[in-house]
Amino acid sequence: AQSVAQPEDQVNVAEGNPLTVKCTYSVSGNPYLFWYVQYPNRGLQFLLKYITGDNLVKGSYGFEAEFNKSQTSFHLKKPSALVSDSALYFCAVRPPYGGATNKLIFGTGTLLAVQP
Amino acid sequence: KAGVTQTPRYLIKTRGQQVTLSCSPISGHRSVSWYQQTPGQGLQFLFEYFSETQRNKGNFPGRFSGRQFSNSRSEMNVSTLELGDSALYLCASSLAGGQGITDTQYFGPGTRLTVL
Repeated sequence: AQSVAQPEDQVNVAEGNPLTVKCTYSVSGNPYLFWYVQYPNRGLQFLLKYITGDNLVKGSYGFEAEFNKSQTSFHLKKPSALVSDSALYFCAVRPPYGGATNKLIFGTGTLLAVQP
Repeated sequence: KAGVTQTPRYLIKTRGQQVTLSCSPISGHRSVSWYQQTPGQGLQFLFEYFSETQRNKGNFPGRFSGRQFSNSRSEMNVSTLELGDSALYLCASSLAGGQGITDTQYFGPGTRLTVL
């Protein structure tokens, strides 16, 4: 079965320190991977995606993610965390099969808490 | 460009009633997907519409249905509401021309449904 795992329910980091939010996937073939962020009482906001090409993907608000095929991972990173980055982060995968579909499979989410 | 809009933002219904939620995609987007978000089950795919046709469906009972209009606006309907249907319902739109496999989905703010 196609799946995405976010092994940490919560990540705590001090403001100014680098942050990493982990994501691993299990998908047949070459996956299409996405990161979204959700602020309280809001919808999901797109951060970045990996389709093909360079394994390091840069996205919005200084976030980046590294695709690692051998480790089946797509970790989200930021060199210097801000208090305003505190939110719920979701990793998602779109399986590269099944014809034309935009269906996303989401991880369980990781709550990022940045302390001032 | 205006983002994805969803109406209403909040709804309170009682068991056994039915409800209709509305979604207006970003101008020019032809694919609309619906997701249910709950604390217990996380984000789950409901269905996807493209050019007024349902092209993918998640694992939900037949009480959940949807449709898409010629202007790409979409509605979803839940009949015979159950307590477990209480959730945040998110709509997402994307361009989805052709295979659409690399399109990014942009989410609306969601409709918070509470079933009493």
